[in-house]
Amino acid sequence: AQTVTQSQPEMSVQEAETVTLSCTYDTSESDYYLFWYKQPPSRQMILVIRQEAYKQQNATENRFSVNFQKAAKSFSLKISDSQLGDAAMYFCAYRSQYSGGGADGLTFGKGTHLIIQP
Amino acid sequence: NAGVTQTPKFQVLKTGQSMTLQCAQDMNHEYMSWYRQDPGMGLRLIHYSVGAGITDQGEVPNGYNVSRSTTEDFPLRLLSAAPSQTSVYFCASSYNRYNEQFFGPGTRLTVL
Repeated sequence: AQTVTQSQPEMSVQEAETVTLSCTYDTSESDYYLFWYKQPPSRQMILVIRQEAYKQQNATENRFSVNFQKAAKSFSLKISDSQLGDAAMYFCAYRSQYSGGGADGLTFGKGTHLIIQP
Repeated sequence: NAGVTQTPKFQVLKTGQSMTLQCAQDMNHEYMSWYRQDPGMGLRLIHYSVGAGITDQGEVPNGYNVSRSTTEDFPLRLLSAAPSQTSVYFCASSYNRYNEQFFGPGTRLTVL
């Protein structure tokens, strides 16, 4: 079974600065999908960014970008020009290319609590 | 377009009681799933469905039942609630198993 590790339980950054959240995963598969989800205090899960493992180019969505290192099994999220609204829990998630049983869904890390200092 | 809706938002049960958490989506998505979120943990998959009439177990299925009689609805049943089932429950749906999953607002369940 795949595992996802987020080694930073909490991060703090000044407003307008850049912060990077770390994520590593363990898998024997060659094709898979990786996601970052944001969970604000409202508890709604919001997709931030998605990366397909077969794509070498790092995904970017406005101020959010990833550094995908397939060989190192690393998938970090960079948030540029941090804003107060970015304060939330951030979850890294893995999705297998295969289906069936516990593999058919997202495997989440434990999350990183991001604090934005005004 | 309401997206994914869940009812109720909050629920308190006594040990041994049964209840059904409701989930509905209006996006004509084939894939639906249930997750639970415990403090300090990420979400864990309980059950999922790849279409009407088809369901399967996820990582933590014990104590939960599901059915999928329509594309829109995917209820989660607790037959005999236990304190270990105190959690926040999320329903999610996607066009297929590989696309972005859209999450409902969650149900906070407390079992006394």
